Amino acid sequence: EAGVTQFPSHSVIEKGQTVTLRCDPISGHDNLYWYRRVMGKEIKFLLHFVKESKQDESGMPNNRFLAERTGGTYSTLKVQPAELEDSGVYFCASSPTGGFVFGNTIYFGEGSWLTVV
Amino acid sequence: GQNIDQPTEMTATEGAIVQINCTYQTSGFNGLFWYQQHAGEAPTFLSYNVLDGLEEKGRFSSFLSRSKGYSYLLLKELQMKDSASYLCAVRENYGQNFVFGPGTRLSVLP
Repeated sequence: EAGVTQFPSHSVIEKGQTVTLRCDPISGHDNLYWYRRVMGKEIKFLLHFVKESKQDESGMPNNRFLAERTGGTYSTLKVQPAELEDSGVYFCASSPTGGFVFGNTIYFGEGSWLTVV
Repeated sequence: GQNIDQPTEMTATEGAIVQINCTYQTSGFNGLFWYQQHAGEAPTFLSYNVLDGLEEKGRFSSFLSRSKGYSYLLLKELQMKDSASYLCAVRENYGQNFVFGPGTRLSVLP
C-alpha cells in the first residue's frame, strides 16, 4: 500500500514567486493534515481537512497560504507570494476515518523542502 | 499555552540503553505519541500512551505520567540504525491536531 506522497520533494524559488505543494494521502484516508517545520523550530500544525472540508485551519500563518482539497482526495498548499520566512519543510499527513479511535495515529509523508531565496 | 520540551541532542553507545525525556504543558490531553524521524524521511510512529504507565514494544518502551506532564522513550540494545531524531507529540483533544516537541537527535556510536 502506498504511503503519503508529496510533490515536489525540493523546491527553490525567489521571494515573491508562487509555489504549489501537492499531497496524496493514503488511499481511503478522509483526514488530511498539513504541518511545517521551519529551520530550528518544532513541527507545527497548519490545518486539517476531513474529506474536502477544512476542519481546523487555526495554524495557517497568514493569507498568503491557501490549502485546497477538491473532491476530498489529494490536497494542494499554495504559497503566494512566498517570503523568506516561509522556507522550511512542509509535511502532509493522513489518517483513516474515525480518527479518534484509541491509539490511532497519523501517517506522514516525507515532506516538501521549500527554500525561498 | 503549549510547551513541549525535550533534550536537543543525546549520544549513546551501540548495545546500550538510552532514555529520552519529554515534558509537556498543553491546554488539553488526549494522548502522547513518539515518532522516529531519519534525516530526509517521514516521521514514523513508534508508540502511544494515553494512560499512566509503561507501554512496551520490542526494544522500545514509552512511559507516561499525566499528573507530572512527563513521558520518556526508552530504547534498549541500541543499534546504529537507531540514530535519528525522536519527536514527542501531544494530541490535545479529540481532533488530530498534534503539538510537537523540538525533537531529540540521538547519535549511536560504535
